[in-house]
Amino acid sequence: DIQMTQSPSSLSASAGDRVTITCRASQSIDIYLNWYQQKPGKAPKLLVNAASHLQSGVPSRFSGSGSGTDFTLTISSLQPEDIATYYCQQSYNTPRTFGQGTKVEVK
Amino acid sequence: QVQLVESGGGVVQPGRSLRLSCAASGFTFSSHTMNWVRQAPGKGLEWVAVISYDGNKKYYAESVKGRFTISRDNSKNTLDLQMDSLRMEDAAVYYCATTQIDDYDYSGYPRGGFDHWGQGTLVTASS
Repeated sequence: DIQMTQSPSSLSASAGDRVTITCRASQSIDIYLNWYQQKPGKAPKLLVNAASHLQSGVPSRFSGSGSGTDFTLTISSLQPEDIATYYCQQSYNTPRTFGQGTKVEVK
Repeated sequence: QVQLVESGGGVVQPGRSLRLSCAASGFTFSSHTMNWVRQAPGKGLEWVAVISYDGNKKYYAESVKGRFTISRDNSKNTLDLQMDSLRMEDAAVYYCATTQIDDYDYSGYPRGGFDHWGQGTLVTASS
């Protein structure tokens, strides 16, 4: 199975800060990397698929990049409503696997 | 609009069985690969099982293989998860989720993200 490792596990930043979350795959997954946002008590929401394709309705302050084994999710200007846990997931092969999550807090 | 509604969760003793269901509406259910994903309390997301759009292909996480069975009824727009020989570690919120239509991986499943999710149903294990 492909292992996904996210860093950091948690972060605290001020509103307006640029925030970057990284995700590393244990083998090359081409561009087949998805990012999800999960707010407390809610189901996950797909933000980005295929490494950089922003889903309809997702604010443009979110962006994804990367290919092969290394990927990033960037929030260009953190907003209070971005408080959530973010997960990466590879969709290169089955079984699908998720990273362990990055909890984002606003100072 | 797309709607996925899970049901069937509850308190179950280890070793017993439970059947979860997911009722789908607002999209062409029979065209979409479907998944179950779970989340233990305070933990991350764990993919559990996938079924192809026509029900002919199924794949399970090692942690549930041989104990859980995924199935679908395209005439009723429903997805099920039969959970047998339940263990304490199966306690979680269980979500059903659709896979975006995309090119296919080596196992024959689309490589899209999980673009629609239900609200989840809670399975609690208690001895």
